[in-house]
Amino acid sequence: EVQLVESGGGLVQPGGSLRLSCATSGFIFSEYWMSWVRQAPGKGLEWLANIKEDGSEKNYVESVKGRFTISRDNAKNSLYLQMNSLRAEDTAVYYCLYKMDVWGKGTTVTVSS
Amino acid sequence: QSALTQPASVSGSPGQSITISCTGTDNDVGGYKFVSWYQQHPGQAPKLMIYDVSNRPSGISNRFSGSRSDNTASLTISGLQAEDEAVYYCSSYASGGLWLFGGGTELTVL
Repeated sequence: EVQLVESGGGLVQPGGSLRLSCATSGFIFSEYWMSWVRQAPGKGLEWLANIKEDGSEKNYVESVKGRFTISRDNAKNSLYLQMNSLRAEDTAVYYCLYKMDVWGKGTTVTVSS
Repeated sequence: QSALTQPASVSGSPGQSITISCTGTDNDVGGYKFVSWYQQHPGQAPKLMIYDVSNRPSGISNRFSGSRSDNTASLTISGLQAEDEAVYYCSSYASGGLWLFGGGTELTVL
């Protein structure tokens, strides 16, 4: 069974940084693209970024380019999202996705002073 | 890239059928077979219901079906049940390696 477990969320001040992690199991992690998606409170889904199997290609939505960095460690079957220069509008539940098919339960990020 | 366009809400009575539309462009919905539909109940993560326009993952009821015509994809739910009440999102691969979501459609079972 595919499992995705996000962690690393929390309360951070505007301008601060946070690193999210996604531990995976149940599939050959190194063979699949992975993505991050977020959902602000009471709002819809927003795709943020994805990363190729070997990490050689990354894509980002315009709103996070230059601030967020997606990465992966295939030896640890883990996906990461480094978030810098955080803003109030980055407050959301952040989900890790396998192939845009399977979702983790999410981790909550709150940006507030 | 703009979000895909979905109606804000739809409703139907138990047993009836409803269809939710998802409109994009030639650069996303109309240009690639990678259109998916997700169901989200309150407080839960989204769940994949349809992938690659019209395919159902294992375990998903055949009451759920997907289709596409030009730049508009559709999700049809037949034999509506109370448990189908949720928010439904479409997504599509888009040129440049990006993915787009629709704004979500709230389904009410009357």
